[in-house]
Amino acid sequence: AQSVAQPEDQVNVAEGNPLTVKCTYSVSGNPYLFWYVQYPNRGLQFLLKYITGDNLVKGSYGFEAEFNKSQTSFHLKKPSALVSDSALYFCAVRPYNQGGKLIFGQGTELSVKP
Amino acid sequence: ETGVTQSPTHLIKTRGQQVTLRCSSQSGHNTVSWYQQALGQGPQFIFQYYREEENGRGNFPPRFSGLQFPNYSSELNVNALELDDSALYLCASSGQGGVKNIQYFGAGTRLSVL
Repeated sequence: AQSVAQPEDQVNVAEGNPLTVKCTYSVSGNPYLFWYVQYPNRGLQFLLKYITGDNLVKGSYGFEAEFNKSQTSFHLKKPSALVSDSALYFCAVRPYNQGGKLIFGQGTELSVKP
Repeated sequence: ETGVTQSPTHLIKTRGQQVTLRCSSQSGHNTVSWYQQALGQGPQFIFQYYREEENGRGNFPPRFSGLQFPNYSSELNVNALELDDSALYLCASSGQGGVKNIQYFGAGTRLSVL
């Protein structure tokens, strides 16, 4: 079965420290990978995507993600966390050749403390 | 903001009733996808419409149905509401139907079934 796993329900980071939000996936073929962020009472906001090419992808607000095909992972990273980064983060995969369906992980709550 | 608008923002229904949710896609986008996000979960794909035709469906019963109009706006209809249908319903639009395109989400409609 195709799936996305975010092994941590919550990640706590001090402001200014680096952050990592983990994501692994299980799909056949070469999927397209995405990260979205959700603030309270809001929809999902696109952060970045991996389609092909360089394994390190840069996105909005200083976020980046590293694609690792052998580990089927797509971890989200930021060198220096801000309090305003506190939100719910979702990893998503679009299986190849299955139209526009996105499969989401269960989400990781990121808390950045001053 | 993404330019994707959903209405209404909140809705309260009773079990057995029917509901219609609406979505206006971002200008230039011809593909609309609908997702159900239960509390504490990631979004689950319901279906996608491309140029007024259904273009993929998730694991939802037939009482979940949809429409896309010539202006690419869309409706999600749910018949015979059940308590478990209580969730945030998200609409996302994307351009040209290509698998590489990013889905841009609206703020959602929160449905409560009593």
